This record gives sequence, structure tokens and C-alpha cells, in this order.
Amino acid sequence: QVQLVESGGGLVKPGGSLRLSCAASGFTFSDFYMSWFRQAPGKGLEWISYISSSDLSYSNYADSVKGRFTISRDSTQKSLYLQMNSLRHEDTAVYYCATVSADGAFYFDNWGQGTLVTVSS
Amino acid sequence: EIVMTQSPATLSVSPGERATLSCRASQSVGVNLAWYQQAPGQAPRLLIYRASARATGIPSRFSGSGSGTEFTLTISSLQSEDFAVYYCQQYNNWPPVAFGGGTKVEIK
Repeated sequence: QVQLVESGGGLVKPGGSLRLSCAASGFTFSDFYMSWFRQAPGKGLEWISYISSSDLSYSNYADSVKGRFTISRDSTQKSLYLQMNSLRHEDTAVYYCATVSADGAFYFDNWGQGTLVTVSS
Repeated sequence: EIVMTQSPATLSVSPGERATLSCRASQSVGVNLAWYQQAPGQAPRLLIYRASARATGIPSRFSGSGSGTEFTLTISSLQSEDFAVYYCQQYNNWPPVAFGGGTKVEIK
């Protein structure tokens, strides 16, 4: 079955960087669009980025992270990444990766368990 | 940018009772709406897509309806595992992907 496992979270100082990973299994990773979300403590879900399937080459970002975060993927490793630079207190959240639906409609049918990022001095 | 508004913020329901959750879009999204369930400490889980289609493995007590700007998620007879937060999400116009603020279904 589909499995997504995030890693790379932790404590980082404001202005620092962190790279999150999402290991995928149980499906043809290269065929699927993928996305990152986050959820600040006690808050709702926030979409932050998506990346197209491996044969295409585009991505998009929420305004809140544009210019600071970079999404990428490696089909040989079956992994999705989120490079986070210039981190701020307000980036503190649980970060989730998810698959975009197989029919291409932009809802999300499989989610990882999340990884916690804490930005604090 | 489409804004999604959910109501009520909290819904108190007794086990076995019916729960009705609402989601409103600031402009029409057709039937391009999904619902997710998030249990405490867990990742979100897709319940409904295309406004009324149940995702794989979702029990029939969950049903979705609506189109345009008004949508409803109904849980016909609440089970203990259904007490959670529910989010709606539109995917008619993106990016950005827009979620509602959530409805917490709690035990009465």
C-alpha cells in the first residue's frame, strides 16, 4: 500500500535552514504530483508547495514561503524534499507530504505522518 | 483567491447521533471540493472528493453533498473514532490550495 514517511524535522534557530525528506513507497512515485503542507500548533492545514510529476518540471509555492522554500524530487530515490531557508518563528509546524490524486484533480489522497519543525532561539 | 469558511467551529454530538458540517466557498467551486478527517495527533485522511464521492475505505455513514458555494458533510451515526477535526478543501481554482478552518466534532 501507499506509504509516505517524512523525516528531517527538528529544532532550528531563526534564520537557519533545514531539509525535509519524504520517502515514498507502494506506488509509481514518478507518475504523481506531490505536495507539502504544514500545520502550526493548534491551527489548521496550510498548503505550501507542489511539484509536478517527474516527466514535467514545474512547481508552485504559497506566498508565505515563496523565495525561502524549494521543493524537489528524486525519482531514483523515490523521495520528495523541501529545502527550507531563512526560517522564521512562524514556520514552526508539523510538515506533511501528500500525493495529489491519481486522476490529477488537486485533492490529496495519501498523507505521511508528519515531521515537526520548531524554529526557536 | 477563494476563501473557505466552515461552520460551526465546534459541534457537540452524542455517539450514535447525526452530525452535519457545513462548508462555504467565497465563489463557486463547482463540485471540486474534498473533505478530510484529522484525528488527534494524526495526519489528515481523505474522506470525500468531488463533493460527494467517498474515498477508498471510507464507511458509508460519511456522505457529502452540495455544489457551487455550499457544501455539507454528514456523518449519519457517530462512532467513537469519528470524533475529530474535519476540513473542507476546494480544488477548482489553484494555486493556492484553500482549506476551511475546520470543524471539531466533540463528544457531547
